[in-house]
Amino acid sequence: KQEVTQIPAALSVPEGENLVLNCSFTDSAIYNLQWFRQDPGKGLTSLLLIQSSQREQTSGRLNASLDKSSGRSTLYIAASQPGDSATYLCAVSFLRVNYGQNFVFGPGTRLSVLP
Amino acid sequence: NAGVTQTPKFQVLKTGQSMTLQCAQDMNHEYMSWYRQDPGMGLRLIHYSVGAGITDQGEVPNGYNVSRSTTEDFPLRLLSAAPSQTSVYFCASRRDRESSYEQYFGPGTRLTVT
Repeated sequence: KQEVTQIPAALSVPEGENLVLNCSFTDSAIYNLQWFRQDPGKGLTSLLLIQSSQREQTSGRLNASLDKSSGRSTLYIAASQPGDSATYLCAVSFLRVNYGQNFVFGPGTRLSVLP
Repeated sequence: NAGVTQTPKFQVLKTGQSMTLQCAQDMNHEYMSWYRQDPGMGLRLIHYSVGAGITDQGEVPNGYNVSRSTTEDFPLRLLSAAPSQTSVYFCASRRDRESSYEQYFGPGTRLTVT
């Protein structure tokens, strides 16, 4: 069964720090990987989508990398701000699963950026 | 575009009651899906649809029904609510069944079953 894990489960950093969130997946045969942000009591906001043929994607202070062969992705947040505090979810679309059921979420990393 | 919309935002049901969670999208997306999010369990797929008239089961379909009569709408029905169905429900859509496209999520419905 394809699985997605994320470490750490929670992270607390002072404002201004650069930080890295990790996502691992068990099968390297993927279509793409998507990073989401979820604020407490809210829905999911898509941050970055990396196709299987890409190595990284950037949006503002966010950079996501993908290493399919090792089954890993990292989300790098530069110069963190209190407004970055949220739960960050990684989701992977796997090739070797039925089209409709192949989007698997990790458990998330809860980030707190302290002023 | 409104994107993916869900109603209601909050709902409290008694055990045994039925209700329908509404989901609509205005992006002409063929693929739509329902997830539930529970603490410690992450998001799990309930049902999905690859187009009008076509639905299928996900990981946790028991106790839920869906139908897709139009491209825009994908309602989720709870036939006889149980406390185990207390959860946050998210509807999502993407352009089509091709998994290389980005998924978009609605704001969620927080359901409590007493």
